[in-house]
Amino acid sequence: SQQGEEDPQALSIQEGENATMNCSYKTSINNLQWYRQNSGRGLVHLILIRSNEREKHSGRLRVTLDTSKKSSSLLITASRAADTASYFCATDAEYGNEKLTFGTGTRLTIIP
Amino acid sequence: DAEITQSPRHKITETGRQVTLACHQTWNHNNMFWYRQDLGHGLRLIHYSYGVHDTNKGEVSDGYSVSRSNTEDLPLTLESAASSQTSVYFCASSYDRDRGLYEQYFGPGTRLTVT
Repeated sequence: SQQGEEDPQALSIQEGENATMNCSYKTSINNLQWYRQNSGRGLVHLILIRSNEREKHSGRLRVTLDTSKKSSSLLITASRAADTASYFCATDAEYGNEKLTFGTGTRLTIIP
Repeated sequence: DAEITQSPRHKITETGRQVTLACHQTWNHNNMFWYRQDLGHGLRLIHYSYGVHDTNKGEVSDGYSVSRSNTEDLPLTLESAASSQTSVYFCASSYDRDRGLYEQYFGPGTRLTVT
């Protein structure tokens, strides 16, 4: 079963706008990660937020985590055409267990 | 540079045949994972390994097997390929958690079609 569910499933915005995608999960977590997948390629790690953190930044990326609501959001500011990709959240639910459970992803399209 | 590779990149096989997908990483990671990716399901874990001679079943392990004889390789075998196993397969690896590093590194994927 999927631990994470992304919302929306697909998002199209104009270049330069901000893109926000959300992830909800079901069980307690240690960490939550976001990955990007360009068409036909493997996933690439973007950012990790720990369960005791509420917000984290990396370049144009901003991630928030609300453990009380079991949800996270990924904000990409000043979007570029190169940001067109699918974005997945992934959680690890058990301390000492290295497995990740991935959501179904958000397909982001940046319109030039 | 360290990397993770998969071969073949594309494979067409017939129902009932045995198929092996290769995964090789030069990161010296202890942890290795196999996922399949299908529309509407995201990535689902098939098998994983935390080190040499260690293997574990994931969410969708039926019809698949793995073996880990060295650190670098985790081949995935479909014992008797079925049309339901048509998918894109990704291998990934990661450091041990005690290093404080949690991200997984993914290979480029293998597109498998079972006819």
